[in-house]
Amino acid sequence: GDSVTQMEGPVTLSEEAFLTINCTYTATGYPSLFWYVQYPGEGLQLLLKATKADDKGSNKGFEATYRKETTSFHLEKGSVQVSDSAVYFCARKTSYDKVIFGPGTSLSVIP
Amino acid sequence: KAGVTQTPRYLIKTRGQQVTLSCSPISGHRSVSWYQQTPGQGLQFLFEYFSETQRNKGNFPGRFSGRQFSNSRSEMNVSTLELGDSALYLCASSPEVGSNTEAFFGQGTRLTVV
Repeated sequence: GDSVTQMEGPVTLSEEAFLTINCTYTATGYPSLFWYVQYPGEGLQLLLKATKADDKGSNKGFEATYRKETTSFHLEKGSVQVSDSAVYFCARKTSYDKVIFGPGTSLSVIP
Repeated sequence: KAGVTQTPRYLIKTRGQQVTLSCSPISGHRSVSWYQQTPGQGLQFLFEYFSETQRNKGNFPGRFSGRQFSNSRSEMNVSTLELGDSALYLCASSPEVGSNTEAFFGQGTRLTVV
């Protein structure tokens, strides 16, 4: 069935380090893909999205490219900050507006 | 534009009781969906409503139910609460039908069953 897989972490990085969080999906067709972020005690916020193959979503220094050939949507940031500490969820949406989430990756950035 | 509003933010209930959670979507959004978030199971889909009709349902027991009103506001109800129902319940709304549109999430309702 449809699923989203991502590295679970936790991931601990020093400030200004490079971040990669891997995400792969299974689906029929070519779904839109999303990264959501959840800060402590809060709901989910959309970080970025890509709606078709080879699209690159970007926001707040984060980027992810929709790779059809590898069914992947890896999240990257060149220089993380302490304020990026949060849980990151890779997700895709079905035609009936159901969102399928990966397990989430907890990121801690230390000064 | 106001975001997705969920009330209450926090709830404490006793086993066996029932609870109703409320969600007001972003104005103009007609699709509302509900998710349960727990440390062990992650984010799991409960159900989705569009124009007062439930179109999709997750793998949860019948104790979990929901409805949507004509103004798109939605409620979910959990009857005969169990300790395992303790979770963050998230509501999301979407502006239109289709997999290209993102879901906008509320802050959630933190339910604790004691």
